[in-house]
Amino acid sequence: NAGVTQTPKFQVLKTGQSMTLQCAQDMNHEYMSWYRQDPGMGLRLIHYSVGAGITDQGEVPNGYNVSRSTTEDFPLRLLSAAPSQTSVYFCASSFFLGLVAGELFFGEGSRLTVL
Amino acid sequence: AQTVTQSQPEMSVQEAETVTLSCTYDTSENNYYLFWYKQPPSRQMILVIRQEAYKQQNATENRFSVNFQKAAKSFSLKISDSQLGDTAMYFCAFMKHSGGGGGADGLTFGKGTHLIIQP
Repeated sequence: NAGVTQTPKFQVLKTGQSMTLQCAQDMNHEYMSWYRQDPGMGLRLIHYSVGAGITDQGEVPNGYNVSRSTTEDFPLRLLSAAPSQTSVYFCASSFFLGLVAGELFFGEGSRLTVL
Repeated sequence: AQTVTQSQPEMSVQEAETVTLSCTYDTSENNYYLFWYKQPPSRQMILVIRQEAYKQQNATENRFSVNFQKAAKSFSLKISDSQLGDTAMYFCAFMKHSGGGGGADGLTFGKGTHLIIQP
């Protein structure tokens, strides 16, 4: 009963490096999303997907790319990391029947530090 | 756009006491969900309770209950008989429900309240 799995849990990057945060869910959820959590800011939506092949931008999409080739996986890519992307990242998923079903299931988070 | 305001950055109570966390929100939507999430030091986001805006009855989950005042746009969380394990950050969140793809643009979170339960 894995739920939403994020890897890695911790990562340190240098400015300009690229990396991918992985997110996988085994609940057959159509909807998947990425949030970032910064001190004193709550969580803010980066990108989301309502199904395989469909993605859209959230509140803070700049500097991040996503793709959704399968229902299970929703990776988040940082193409050229910047110190402003130092944050804790959460992946979340839900059923989607024309609208989000009312509860998001979150992964355990990935702490990223960009030096 | 929606906004969610949690006016209490930190609260501290004694074990077994009752504590109320406040949340107000601003929206022009009529159909929406409201949530309280708990984030313990483990960092995992855990759903505590949710409320559908069309339901007048306040949601309850064991020791957790809400006071939902739709006209006032207020959604407070009451924790009864508080326990040491309730120590965590608590986030109030809003999600719209109406329209095509409702809720797809995600949750709007407040900045959180750090609740400390003292032994």
